Amino acid sequence: DSGVTQTPKHLITATGQRVTLRCSPRSGDLSVYWYQQSLDQGLQFLIQYYNGEERAKGNILERFSAQQFPDLHSELNLSSLELGDSALYFCASSRGGPQETQYFGPGTRLLVL
Amino acid sequence: AQSVTQLGSHVSVSEGALVLLRCNYSSSVPPYLFWYVQYPNQGLQLLLKYTSAATLVKGINGFEAEFKKSETSFHLTKPSAHMSDAAEYFCAVSSGFQKLVFGTGTRLLVSP
Repeated sequence: DSGVTQTPKHLITATGQRVTLRCSPRSGDLSVYWYQQSLDQGLQFLIQYYNGEERAKGNILERFSAQQFPDLHSELNLSSLELGDSALYFCASSRGGPQETQYFGPGTRLLVL
Repeated sequence: AQSVTQLGSHVSVSEGALVLLRCNYSSSVPPYLFWYVQYPNQGLQLLLKYTSAATLVKGINGFEAEFKKSETSFHLTKPSAHMSDAAEYFCAVSSGFQKLVFGTGTRLLVSP
């Protein structure tokens, strides 16, 4: 158990819909990262937050957004969903430095029908 | 830009044999390098990491990796494979921007 929790574990929805994925980091971790894992794209970094502020952006679509709340939990919002958004979405947390280990949650498996 | 190349999408070994998973990186700044393992339907678990303290890094479950700057490599090894080592292994690089850039992964198959 990494100490990072993600909800829900599975999500099935339809094209055009909007979903919210939630992540609670390990106690004491200030940084939260979101990654997408799909068969064709592999593991891709989406976005990072550090203590409530956006720190870095990766290959995140404009239809996707995220935020980190004062209690440090984070939410990833996916809207106008397309079939290609079906993937495993991971949240990771760390103390914040580039050498720090990122601890991954179990992921949310999203299926868009 | 940073990148990681993992040679071989699948590696098959017999139980008790040497495991060697290859990783080459590209980075314009001194890198931090990581190996993660992913078991089916689970998240990623850190095996080991290189942060410039020592070039030979020992990790969990008997794995180790050696950082070779001249070869830009960070190959993962284990002297004797166990059935429970069957999983997907990811090499990743990080630098000042902190995000992890992952390789495409290598699936390790262990036969009895």
